[in-house]
Amino acid sequence: DAKTTQPNSMESNEEEPVHLPCNHSTISGTDYIHWYRQLPSQGPEYVIHGLTSNVNNRMASLAIAEDRKSSTLILHRATLRDAAVYYCIRARGGSNYKLTFGKGTLLTVNP
Amino acid sequence: KAGVTQTPRYLIKTRGQQVTLSCSPISGHRSVSWYQQTPGQGLQFLFEYFSETQRNKGNFPGRFSGRQFSNSRSEMNVSTLELGDSALYLCASSLATAGGIGYTFGSGTRLTVV
Repeated sequence: DAKTTQPNSMESNEEEPVHLPCNHSTISGTDYIHWYRQLPSQGPEYVIHGLTSNVNNRMASLAIAEDRKSSTLILHRATLRDAAVYYCIRARGGSNYKLTFGKGTLLTVNP
Repeated sequence: KAGVTQTPRYLIKTRGQQVTLSCSPISGHRSVSWYQQTPGQGLQFLFEYFSETQRNKGNFPGRFSGRQFSNSRSEMNVSTLELGDSALYLCASSLATAGGIGYTFGSGTRLTVV
């Protein structure tokens, strides 16, 4: 099944940038990279997704390596509210589309 | 606009009983997926429905079933409950089934089997 590799945990300070890495070395040409995050006692929240080019939205930026075997989610200025588990997901299209979650990265933000 | 609504939020059932969980997707969303989240296994895909048809199914026993209605609302049923079915059940909706589309999740139904 679709596999990605993320560090178990990362720590950041408030108002500093955070770079969350993800490896997806077996990605195929039509797979999208999705990022979701889950705050305590809530369902996952969509953050951003991309295919080949870097992407920006109001929440974050997604930098995808040229060979697409890795990507980095960038939170430009971490806040306490960004403390969550971040999931990097390789999403295949078509009738078998589903989100396969790994264990994610637990991000701690220090005040 | 209203988000994904799951009811009930909490549920306690006895082993051997059956349970039905409900999910109302965002208006206009035709795809509804269900996930089970436990501390040990994390988030696991159960099944996905699109326009009332099951499009994809995860590796769960036949006790887990679902359906989708013409208004895109979905229900998930678990029969003959086991203690191991205690989990947070999450529903997610999307406009379509495609890798380039994001999903919106509900807050989940916390099921406890005693």
